[in-house]
Amino acid sequence: GAVVSQHPSRVICKSGTSVKIECRSLDFQATTMFWYRQFPKQSLMLMATSNEGSKATYEQGVEKDKFLINHASLTLSTLTVTSAHPEDSSFYICSAYQRGGGNEQFFGPGTRLTVL
Amino acid sequence: AQRVTQPEKLLSVFKGAPVELKCNYSYSGSPELFWYVQYSRQRLQLLLRHISRESIKGFTADLNKGETSFHLKKPFAQEEDSAMYYCALPPSGTYKYIFGTGTRLKVLA
Repeated sequence: GAVVSQHPSRVICKSGTSVKIECRSLDFQATTMFWYRQFPKQSLMLMATSNEGSKATYEQGVEKDKFLINHASLTLSTLTVTSAHPEDSSFYICSAYQRGGGNEQFFGPGTRLTVL
Repeated sequence: AQRVTQPEKLLSVFKGAPVELKCNYSYSGSPELFWYVQYSRQRLQLLLRHISRESIKGFTADLNKGETSFHLKKPFAQEEDSAMYYCALPPSGTYKYIFGTGTRLKVLA
């Protein structure tokens, strides 16, 4: 099946710094990718839909200036957490939609962000 | 409003016992429903989609439009089935998912 990678798998940063997380579709082109946040023992919360070549669509309550999304190519989307604070600490997961593959999404392994 | 409900946060069963993980949905139109599974320290992966009507790892799920349900069933649970299970529904005209809150299945020896 289609493979999605994320980098880094784990990041620790100081409060106030910005962190970039990459999501790549390794063997297919993904015009649409999604970014989720998962709190411990909770479900996935969709943050935004990343569209190649256009602006991301953010879910209600997600600050677009806080969570910058760029989808510059058909295989790469990036999520930048700007001026991170401890409350941004979470598990961030991306997924990619493969055109022609039904509505199945392929998920990355996630990135654990810890803000000190 | 479109919604997916998984009423059980945790379900514990003994090995060899039948399992039913509940999923109810609220949707106007013909829904397309999925079950995803997340094993410990692994990524989410597709388990079943109702369109294909297949059985994966012994699990089946039938869409019941009258009861607006898509319950996941397995006649004999295995210890390796222990995982987090999510029911998902893409709203019409979009590729994104509405996820249920998930059910943690624990299969006891």
